[in-house]
Amino acid sequence: QQQVKQSPQSLIVQKGGISIINCAYENTAFDYFPWYQQFPGKGPALLIAIRPDVSEKKEGRFTISFNKSAKQFSLHIMDSQPGDSATYFCAASMRHSSASKIIFGSGTRLSIRP
Amino acid sequence: DSGVTQTPKHLITATGQRVTLRCSPRSGDLSVYWYQQSLDQGLQFLIQYYNGEERAKGNILERFSAQQFPDLHSELNLSSLELGDSALYFCASSGDRGDSTDTQYFGPGTRLTVL
Repeated sequence: QQQVKQSPQSLIVQKGGISIINCAYENTAFDYFPWYQQFPGKGPALLIAIRPDVSEKKEGRFTISFNKSAKQFSLHIMDSQPGDSATYFCAASMRHSSASKIIFGSGTRLSIRP
Repeated sequence: DSGVTQTPKHLITATGQRVTLRCSPRSGDLSVYWYQQSLDQGLQFLIQYYNGEERAKGNILERFSAQQFPDLHSELNLSSLELGDSALYFCASSGDRGDSTDTQYFGPGTRLTVL
């Protein structure tokens, strides 16, 4: 119940295309869903996040779509660029014992072909 | 730059040895997290400290231990090293406001190679 399932494991998209990464969770106690982006040789960094009371959040070319009833959320990267090539981790967070508890998905390695 | 520092950047050692990885959190952050990332694998949560106290434990081996010091820096000790311990080790810190929106800020990682 603490797992966050992420797919696909790897993704290749042409420049200008739409990249879509999907995640699913089971525990309804999760109430915050961040996405982290990791470039080779670097640590992950927060990219965008959403609360379950909204169905969509957009920041530039990055959009999170959230389906509370299905317990699924996805990251869409519009007009994908070679600079977007990175590993993306979805995550789910909840309040736990006066602190936050975050569970990461297994990651998606995204490659954007020029 | 996340504000989290980790040393050393690279570490090469032999099986059976012991190493210590060091992490300094962002200024003001009380929580420190340790993660292991093996080749082509996700982030495996190891352990969390909050203001010097262990708060949460993940898939941390008994050969591994950590601590957080009064100045809030943290050290991860890995002993009786095996080939399979070769990985990237990340430290992250957060302000730990006590709600679920705490952002974890990751350091650049320490790449450990066990020969």
